[in-house]
Amino acid sequence: GIQVEQSPPDLILQEGANSTLRCNFSDSVNNLQWFHQNPWGQLINLFYIPSGTKQNGRLSATTVATERYSLLYISSSQTTDSGVYFCAVSAGAGSYQLTFGKGTKLSVIP
Amino acid sequence: EAQVTQNPRYLITVTGKKLTVTCSQNMNHEYMSWYRQDPGLGLRQIYYSMNVEVTDKGDVPEGYKVSRKEKRNFPLILESPSPNQTSLYFCASSLGPNSPLHFGNGTRLTVT
Repeated sequence: GIQVEQSPPDLILQEGANSTLRCNFSDSVNNLQWFHQNPWGQLINLFYIPSGTKQNGRLSATTVATERYSLLYISSSQTTDSGVYFCAVSAGAGSYQLTFGKGTKLSVIP
Repeated sequence: EAQVTQNPRYLITVTGKKLTVTCSQNMNHEYMSWYRQDPGLGLRQIYYSMNVEVTDKGDVPEGYKVSRKEKRNFPLILESPSPNQTSLYFCASSLGPNSPLHFGNGTRLTVT
């Protein structure tokens, strides 16, 4: 099956700093999503982005499908950005099986 | 408010005692799915459903059952729970295979 690798596994930032999280995948995908799991365990959908670039406030994401990677940018980080960020992908037209990466644990300190 | 609702949030049970975790969505989504999350193993799909009466196995279906009799509900059934099913469980839904996936708040299950 498709492999998903996220980097870095852990990241500690000072409040106000910017960061880039990376997701590499081993095959062509037709579905790529980024999620944030907050310290209370809730999983929030950030982006549905199989290709191209999207922005939502301080967060933006870019997927370069031909090169099999996606990047999540967090600017001016806040303590509420702490948590684990997951990338999930699926391959094959109409595939319902999302494969999740192991995540990047982000800690933003005041 | 559009949401996926799971119940209960926390559940402690004993080996072999049948249990059901309920999941309901109010967004008229076709697709629903169950995941379990374990330290070091990440999120793994248990079962999914493409529509009413249509379900299929995910990566780790052993020991679980599901049903989709109505579009909004997708309960997860553990007929005879075992300690290795202690985990954090999430229900999720989306409009279709290439749509944003929305998660419930999770159910933390402990089987002793």
